[in-house]
Amino acid sequence: KNEVEQSPQNLTAQEGEFITINCSYSVGISALHWLQQHPGGGIVSLFMLSSGKKKHGRLIATINIQEKHSSLHITASHPRDSAVYICAASNSGYALNFGKGTSLLVTP
Amino acid sequence: DTAVSQTPKYLVTQMGNDKSIKCEQNLGHDTMYWYKQDSKKFLKIMFSYNNKELIINETVPNRFSPKSPDKAHLNLHINSLELGDSAVYFCASSRIIGRDYGYTFGSGTRLTVV
Repeated sequence: KNEVEQSPQNLTAQEGEFITINCSYSVGISALHWLQQHPGGGIVSLFMLSSGKKKHGRLIATINIQEKHSSLHITASHPRDSAVYICAASNSGYALNFGKGTSLLVTP
Repeated sequence: DTAVSQTPKYLVTQMGNDKSIKCEQNLGHDTMYWYKQDSKKFLKIMFSYNNKELIINETVPNRFSPKSPDKAHLNLHINSLELGDSAVYFCASSRIIGRDYGYTFGSGTRLTVV
């Protein structure tokens, strides 16, 4: 089973700060997913990565396959970015194996 | 317009009852999943179905029985509900199993067993 570890578990930032959330996994994967969950809300898929880097607006996700590590960056953070961010490892779409999530609070 | 819809959104029931959660996707995806999110917000796979066929059954008590009448629907029936079944259950879909595509999640069903 793929162990997926995220850090930090909790993160508080001031509006405008650059934020990094880290994810590491124990065995090879076919893809790494980053998901966002707002309080009491559903889950939204942000990125799916199998190599390199992807960018969407102020969000950037990177993956290093050799080091089994991925990062999610948020530039110019805003209070509406406050949510739980979850990384998940995929084994060719059979199921996702999730990290425990990083709870982000961005204060004005 | 909703891509993956789950009903009901909230479910409060007594121990020992039997209940069902329904899930439907209109994305034309072949693969559907049930995930459970516990009180610590940790998500875990329960089942995955590909084109109505069970692919993964991840050490879930046999009180939980998924049913897929067609590839657009995956329902979850739970018998003899226990307090520990209280959780948020998410349905999700993906284009096809065996390859990596993005996931679309339903909005979740919060089950509370009293």
